[in-house]
Parts: sequence; C-alpha cells; structure tokens
Amino acid sequence: DTAVSQTPKYLVTQMGNDKSIKCEQNLGHDTMYWYKQDSKKFLKIMFSYNNKELIINETVPNRFSPKSPDKAHLNLHINSLELGDSAVYFCASSKRAAYVYGYTFGSGTRLTVV
Amino acid sequence: AQSVTQPDIHITVSEGASLELRCNYSYGATPYLFWYVQSPGQGLQLLLKYFSGDTLVQGIKGFEAEFKRSQSSFNLRKPSVHWSDAAEYFCAVGAQRSSGGGADGLTFGKGTHLIIQP
Repeated sequence: DTAVSQTPKYLVTQMGNDKSIKCEQNLGHDTMYWYKQDSKKFLKIMFSYNNKELIINETVPNRFSPKSPDKAHLNLHINSLELGDSAVYFCASSKRAAYVYGYTFGSGTRLTVV
Repeated sequence: AQSVTQPDIHITVSEGASLELRCNYSYGATPYLFWYVQSPGQGLQLLLKYFSGDTLVQGIKGFEAEFKRSQSSFNLRKPSVHWSDAAEYFCAVGAQRSSGGGADGLTFGKGTHLIIQP
C-alpha cells in the first residue's frame, strides 16, 4: 500500500529518556514534515524537510532533532524527554508545493512521558 | 501571515440531519483551501480541496464545501450525517513560503469536534 507509515503507534517512556519515532513514505514525495498535536487537538508544525533544506519551527526545543537517512524517511529523535512532550506526533509528506497539493499524514504516534 | 479560524470548537448534530462546519481564512492572495477529517485514534485524511474554478467543491464521504471570497469562508457541508462522521474536522489554508522564511505548506485551524446524536 502507498502510504505514510509511522512506528511505533504508542510510546510510553520515563522522563529523561531519549527516544526516536520513525517515519517512511513510499509516495515519492519531495518533502516530509513532523507535526505535534496537543491534548486540545491543535496541530503545530515542528519541521519540514526535503533533500535540500531543513526548516525548523523556532519554537521547537533543540532536544528535538529530525534525521533523514534518505528521501523516503524522516525520523524524529527526542533527547531528555519531559512531561510536556506528551502528545501525538504526526509525520506527513507532500509533493513539491505542498500549499497546492496538501499533505498525506501518517496515523500518528502517541507519546506518553511519565 | 495566513491564518484559519474555525469558530465552533464543538458541534452536535442528530444522525440524518444536515451539517455545516464553518471556516474563515486570512490570506493576501488567492487561497488554496483544504478540509481534513481525523477519526478517533487516526491520522488526518483529506476530504476535499479548493484551488480555483468552481467555488463548490465535492469531496469524499458525501462532503462538499463552498468557497466564498467575499466572506473569506470555506464552509464544509453534508446533507445527512451518519454516526461514522463523528470526528475532528480541520480546515487549512495553503501558503507559499513567505519572504521572511518558514515552510511552504498548510496552516491549520484549531479544529471542530463533531458529535453525532442518535
């Protein structure tokens, strides 16, 4: 199936740990994104990345870092996890000119920090 | 900068009744507009999008939306809702990267939570 896939779907971890969320797309899209959805369902962009450029939302703590081994993958690594990092994280991808085509989203990773 | 307002945080509709979800946008140029639906525990799925041309856009699952430039609105409608339509609905506007930086992409509203009464 063509899709954006994220793993794991659920992640429960203790404060201070380091964790990664993986994302893969087989749509041949140019750009990938990470979004954070808080408990009020508000979607906030964290990063956008294509093979040329990483754009970081300035409000994202530097404990968060995207890592892209190739065009089809964009993983999210989080250091020193905090309680406030608990949220649902969505990966998405788009063709060039995402403002025209929109995104295809993954199914999300629910991160719970205890 | 572009923005999207969804005035209704929650809406409750009886099954079989009609539905309209409101969306207002702010953008200096011709907007690209989208509606997404998020079912419980799922990712966001594209319902429909507007680029240009006919201002009434048909989408999946029986949804449609109408672009009204004079009102800066892009409201989502469905003539008869089903219990499976209970979900979170997001309106979004697409914007090209501004000269000041940032990403090409979508700006989302805060969502409207749709509850279906039996």
